Amino acid sequence: NAGVTQTPKFRILKIGQSMTLQCTQDMNHNYMYWYRQDPGMGLKLIYYSVGAGITDKGEVPNGYNVSRSTTEDFPLRLELAAPSQTSVYFCASSYPAGVLKETQYFGPGTRLLVL
Amino acid sequence: RKEVEQDPGPFNVPEGATVAFNCTYSNSASQSFFWYRQDCRKEPKLLMSVYSSGNEDGRFTAQLNRASQYISLLIRDSKLSDSATYLCVSLIKAAGNKLTFGGGTRVLVKP
Repeated sequence: NAGVTQTPKFRILKIGQSMTLQCTQDMNHNYMYWYRQDPGMGLKLIYYSVGAGITDKGEVPNGYNVSRSTTEDFPLRLELAAPSQTSVYFCASSYPAGVLKETQYFGPGTRLLVL
Repeated sequence: RKEVEQDPGPFNVPEGATVAFNCTYSNSASQSFFWYRQDCRKEPKLLMSVYSSGNEDGRFTAQLNRASQYISLLIRDSKLSDSATYLCVSLIKAAGNKLTFGGGTRVLVKP
């Protein structure tokens, strides 16, 4: 199993550009998440999904959009990049609530720099 | 007030020594707790879950105090490879297993 994979690893965007951060998991997890981590800070939840076709906002959703058309994929879209979106983005997945394995598995992250 | 608070450190620890640090949480609805380890420029990885009775995994011991709403992590016989940031995490199962992360405690183990 590859686990959670993210692409790209690193990207530089100009202000106002758009991009999609890709996330795929091969563990058949229902739940998937997007976090951002600013330097020296903890992770903040952007969006999450409890299954295909279902998404919900996290703590910091403004400026982002997500979709979940399949169990495996959970892309994150930035429509109008702003310098405040410079961060490291982590995708994660987990088993559903109530299952013993509550651990979230993280992808390696995407480093985004907006200039 | 942050939902999960940690001393950012760094905790400078001589190799072989014991280090302990706490994390406090404010949301009494938090049901499960975890310690994640994060190396520089890497993704967080689960170190251990925290159970009410306390649990031990090798040189690592975690404890939960629900009355005072804090979680602790103790590392015995510190190794150079223990140098990392340790993230305290709470989970609320309702609405998607949402994790709330503390800002992390940085530990530096030195020879």
